[in-house]
Amino acid sequence: GAVVSQHPSWVICKSGTSVKIECRSLDFQATTMFWYRQFPKQSLMLMATSNEGSKATYEQGVEKDKFLINHASLTLSTLTVTSAHPEDSSFYICSARTGVKYEQYFGPGTRLTVT
Amino acid sequence: GQQLNQSPQSMFIQEGEDVSMNCTSSSIFNTWLWYKQDPGEGPVLLIALYKAGELTSNGRLTAQFGITRKDSFLNISASIPSDVGIYFCAGQAYTGTASKLTFGTGTRLQVTL
Repeated sequence: GAVVSQHPSWVICKSGTSVKIECRSLDFQATTMFWYRQFPKQSLMLMATSNEGSKATYEQGVEKDKFLINHASLTLSTLTVTSAHPEDSSFYICSARTGVKYEQYFGPGTRLTVT
Repeated sequence: GQQLNQSPQSMFIQEGEDVSMNCTSSSIFNTWLWYKQDPGEGPVLLIALYKAGELTSNGRLTAQFGITRKDSFLNISASIPSDVGIYFCAGQAYTGTASKLTFGTGTRLQVTL
């Protein structure tokens, strides 16, 4: 149980275009999902917290207009990187929290490369 | 944002050896979680701890929630090559819809034959 999927697993896009990443909880309902960014050999940095049916809460320093988050249902959250630039290239990982003991389960990640 | 201190940062060990790593915080947590991340993958939850002093095992892995609630330890017994990866601790200050995890800096484990 507690499986989280992400799509796509990797994407290459041109500078200036937008990219959407999907995060799904496959076997449980997640009222809260999280989006993280991870640079090589570093820990996970929380970008935003997404609650179903409400606006996402962004961490300090994360541009909400650049990283659009939508949590339309209890099993789906999306992250859209708008007008991507090479510095947005990174590994993006989502996680979903169960209602039981508030454990977080992570998706497999999406490698974004902006050329 | 805040990060938890993990040590060691990295370690090379031989197959069959036991491994210990720990995580410390300047603030109290109500929940400690340990994750393992393989290259190019998302973290996988290994063990969750909910009470100070709690000792929990998952196969060859054993983790403890420190009495002070400011630290946690992870031990791996009889390491095998597939134990290679990065181990992250994560703490949660309280349980509630607004709570979020604070991650450790990670311990990179490499196992030699």
